[in-house]
Amino acid sequence: DVVMTQSPLSLPVTLGQPASISCTSSQSLVYSDGNTYLHWFQQRPGQSPRRLIYKVSNRDSGVPDRFSGSGSGTDFTLKISRVEAEDVGVYYCMQGAHWPRTFGQGTRVEIK
Amino acid sequence: EVQLLESGGDLVQPGGSLRLSCAASGFTVSNYAMSWVRQAPGKGLEWVSTSGTNTYYTDSVKGRFTLSRDNSKNTLYLQMSGLRAEDTAVYYCARSSAMDVWGQGTTVTVSS
Repeated sequence: DVVMTQSPLSLPVTLGQPASISCTSSQSLVYSDGNTYLHWFQQRPGQSPRRLIYKVSNRDSGVPDRFSGSGSGTDFTLKISRVEAEDVGVYYCMQGAHWPRTFGQGTRVEIK
Repeated sequence: EVQLLESGGDLVQPGGSLRLSCAASGFTVSNYAMSWVRQAPGKGLEWVSTSGTNTYYTDSVKGRFTLSRDNSKNTLYLQMSGLRAEDTAVYYCARSSAMDVWGQGTTVTVSS
């Protein structure tokens, strides 16, 4: 199985400051069609997960542009340019290139 | 509006069976791959199954869980049997293999 490793697991951030989460996969996430299937999800406290970013860097509809995704191959990053109070929650990366699908452990973002 | 609504979660004894339902609105289930993801209490996200051209399952549920769909009802199902304590979780259905839309979840508790 592809192992997804996130860091840090806990991220205290000051409001208005940037935040960055790393996600590393144990295998390349480049699929045979040339696409890279790495997605990011946000789970706010008490809520269902919500997809933020698909295929590395594509923001889902309604996702603020302070969220951005980057990376290639096995190394990926989710960045929040200026953290707002509503960004508190747990963030997960997930690979969609191999079966079984696998998630990272999650990174908890909290306000300092 | 695109929505998913899960139901069927309950308290069940070890070895018992349960069928979860996921009713879709705003889109046609037959046009999409559909997935189930679970989250044990206080834990991260775990992919369970995806049904598209083929159906895939995580190893721990193979032979015990079956994903199916009723296109006439626009509904996805997860038939669960031989339930174990470690199956205790909130179960979410999600649209597509890339999980762009999620339901609110339904809680399965396996305990005597």
